[in-house]
Amino acid sequence: QQQVKQSPQSLIVQKGGISIINCAYENTAFDYFPWYQQFPGKGPALLIAIRPDVSEKKEGRFTISFNKSAKQFSLHIMDSQPGDSATYFCAASIGGATNKLIFGTGTLLAVQP
Amino acid sequence: DAMVIQNPRYQVTQFGKPVTLSCSQTLNHNVMYWYQQKSSQAPKLLFHYYDKDFNNEADTPDNFQSRRPNTSFCFLDIRSPGLGDAAMYLCATRSRGGQETQYFGPGTRLLVL
Repeated sequence: QQQVKQSPQSLIVQKGGISIINCAYENTAFDYFPWYQQFPGKGPALLIAIRPDVSEKKEGRFTISFNKSAKQFSLHIMDSQPGDSATYFCAASIGGATNKLIFGTGTLLAVQP
Repeated sequence: DAMVIQNPRYQVTQFGKPVTLSCSQTLNHNVMYWYQQKSSQAPKLLFHYYDKDFNNEADTPDNFQSRRPNTSFCFLDIRSPGLGDAAMYLCATRSRGGQETQYFGPGTRLLVL
């Protein structure tokens, strides 16, 4: 019940296209859902995050869509660029002192020029 | 300016030879985490400190220890590294004040010969 399932495992998108990565969870106690971007040899960096009381959050070309009833959330990257090529991890956590992140398995995105 | 600093960035050790990885932060965050990340996998939480309170994950091997002498510094000690411990080790920090965002360092790549 603590798992976060992420798909697809890898994704190839043409420059200018839309990249979509999906995640699903079971634990309804999760109340924070961040997306991290990781480049090879670097640590993950927070990209965008959402709480379950909001159905959508947009920051620049990045949008999170959240479906509380379906227990699913997704990352949309509009106008994908070669510089977006990285591994993307969704995650979920329960608020509180510990706030441990439960990561998805990651999606390797390649944006072709 | 670097906020979470990890040294060294690359560490080579011999099988069974103790090794220490270090993490420092300029964010004055109360919570510090150590993660292990193997190739093409999500980060796996090893343990975390909430101030000076140490919290070990149930499946973290005894071979892994940690020290946090003050707010700014945290160390990961691997007492007898095995070949299976070769991985990227990530340090992350978080403020206690209700903010869920974890800030990751660049990681230390450990190679065990």
